[in-house]
Parts: sequence; C-alpha cells; structure tokens
Amino acid sequence: SQTIHQWPATLVQPVGSPLSLECTVEGTSNPNLYWYRQAAGRGLQLLFYSVGIGQISSEVPQNLSASRPQDRQFILSSKKLLLSDSGFYLCAWSTGVQPQHFGDGTRLSIL
Amino acid sequence: AQKVTQAQTEISVVEKEDVTLDCVYETRDTTYYLFWYKQPPSGELVFLIRRNSFDEQNEISGRYSWNFQKSTSSFNFTITASQVVDSAVYFCALSSSNSGNTPLVFGKGTRLSVIA
Repeated sequence: SQTIHQWPATLVQPVGSPLSLECTVEGTSNPNLYWYRQAAGRGLQLLFYSVGIGQISSEVPQNLSASRPQDRQFILSSKKLLLSDSGFYLCAWSTGVQPQHFGDGTRLSIL
Repeated sequence: AQKVTQAQTEISVVEKEDVTLDCVYETRDTTYYLFWYKQPPSGELVFLIRRNSFDEQNEISGRYSWNFQKSTSSFNFTITASQVVDSAVYFCALSSSNSGNTPLVFGKGTRLSVIA
C-alpha cells in the first residue's frame, strides 16, 4: 500500500531564516505531487505541483520554491522566511487511479 | 475559473442529529471530479469520497451520504445520526481532468461541532 511521509511535524523558525520541508511517497511510482498551505482559519491553497522529476508548476508567486530531485521526493524551500509564511503545510500525492492523499502536515510558526 | 463555495462556515449539532454540509461548485469543464475531505483536530486531511461528473448517482457509506446534482452544481454531504467523533472541518474540492489527477480547488471548509 502507498504511504506518504512528511517532516518535520512542527517547526518554529525566526524571520529571515531558511526553510526545508520534505515529503516522500512509498508504494507507487511516478505520482503527481503537491504542496498546499492552510493559513489559520482558512482553506487550502495550492502552492506547487509536480508531474515528474524536475517538473514544477508554481501557482502562487512568493518567496517559496519547490524541487523534485527524485521520483517520490518533493521538497519545499525558502531562502528567507517571512511572517506571512506561517501556516500548516500539506504534501499530497495522486495517480491516475488514486485520488489525492495527504501527509500529516507541518505546522510552521515564524517568530 | 473554477470555484468551490461552502457557505456554512460553522455548524453545531447535538449528537444523533442529522446534518447536511452544502457545497456548490463552478466550472466550465464538462469532465471534472468532486471530492470531500475531513480534517480532524489533529490536522491531517482524510479522503472521504470522489465523484466524477458523469456519475450523478447518490452514494451512501454507513452514516455518510452524498447528493450530487449537476442541475444545481451542488455536491452536498449528509451525516446521519452524528457522533462526537464527526467533529472536524470538512472540505469540498473540485478537480478538472479525466482522472481527477490535477490540483484541487478547495472550498473554505465547514467546521462541524457535534455536542454530546
């Protein structure tokens, strides 16, 4: 069966510091991968999605970036975090058959 | 442009009551998928159902049922005999593709509180 791992679960970072959130999927190959953000009390906003290694589509211009160095690995990064980057970050995967399944999320607090 | 509207921000019910969560969507695509996800207090998103635009049959799964009506662009979710464990935020979502394998457009969610 397929599983998705996302870490860390919680993170507290100062403004201006870098960020790296990692997501890996097991049990499937060539999945579509997604990063969403949920701000406090709000819905989910798509940040990035990827249909293959090195292929990243950005939905929202911002100081975040994403990379997919391996088929089942998706990384969300920032060189300098802003206060507005606080939120709950969710990674998800899907295939032609399976709907999107989400990881447990990372709660990011910027101080 | 695609849009999902969940007009109910918060709902409170007493345990064992039935509750319906509304979802209205907008899309120009003829092929699309609709989804419901549950987000319990722990935060993870739990997949509940996927329905494609060509299948308007209602679906029942235990205490959960879904009413898809293309004529009104609605995909409503009913919980029968609600329980405290149903307390969560519920999201309706839309995806346009032949497989639903594209990014989801989410509604803003409905927070359901079931009181014992």
